[in-house]
Amino acid sequence: RKEVEQDPGPFNVPEGATVAFNCTYSNSASQSFFWYRQDCRKEPKLLMSVYSSGNEDGRFTAQLNRASQYISLLIRDSKLSDSATYLCVVNIPGNQFYFGTGTSLTVIP
Amino acid sequence: NAGVTQTPKFRVLKTGQSMTLLCAQDMNHEYMYWYRQDPGMGLRLIHYSVGEGTTAKGEVPDGYNVSRLKKQNFLLGLESAAPSQTSVYFCASTERATYSGANVLTFGAGSRLTVL
Repeated sequence: RKEVEQDPGPFNVPEGATVAFNCTYSNSASQSFFWYRQDCRKEPKLLMSVYSSGNEDGRFTAQLNRASQYISLLIRDSKLSDSATYLCVVNIPGNQFYFGTGTSLTVIP
Repeated sequence: NAGVTQTPKFRVLKTGQSMTLLCAQDMNHEYMYWYRQDPGMGLRLIHYSVGEGTTAKGEVPDGYNVSRLKKQNFLLGLESAAPSQTSVYFCASTERATYSGANVLTFGAGSRLTVL
């Protein structure tokens, strides 16, 4: 079983739309959680960490449900510049980081 | 601010050849990682290191070896390259976490390897 399972997408949404991505993880001992963004043929970069209480960074909101082992990312008022692949990442004991397969987002003018 | 530097950026090999990818970080990070990324597969952990002189296997270690003789360098070796090892390889590093959520990975720009 994969450590991290993620919506494959792709998601094609108009500018201004709200879009949500979901992710589940298998290791109940997972310690920390993240969303990374990857632009085409570039390295992944941290978008935001995800905390149990939920957290927001501008138009981005991340939620964590430890009981369900579920992570989400909500993007409001989508911009053209949000077009990218979004990667769900989980840190398990031993400081290993496991990535989901990524969800592709294209924001259409 | 160099961060994480990978060399080479591109390489073409023939089946059976060997090569080494070098990852260097200048942030004094304890932890270093090698990933491969294939279309539709996401990033998969090959090997990682929790400190100088240590290495451990990740999800897909077969066909690769690693060494961490110096804290700042993490080498990934392919002893006998196979076409299945055609991929984009990313190195990443992070410091020792002092609180939950502190472990942020910093990535290199990637190394594109083609094995013919």
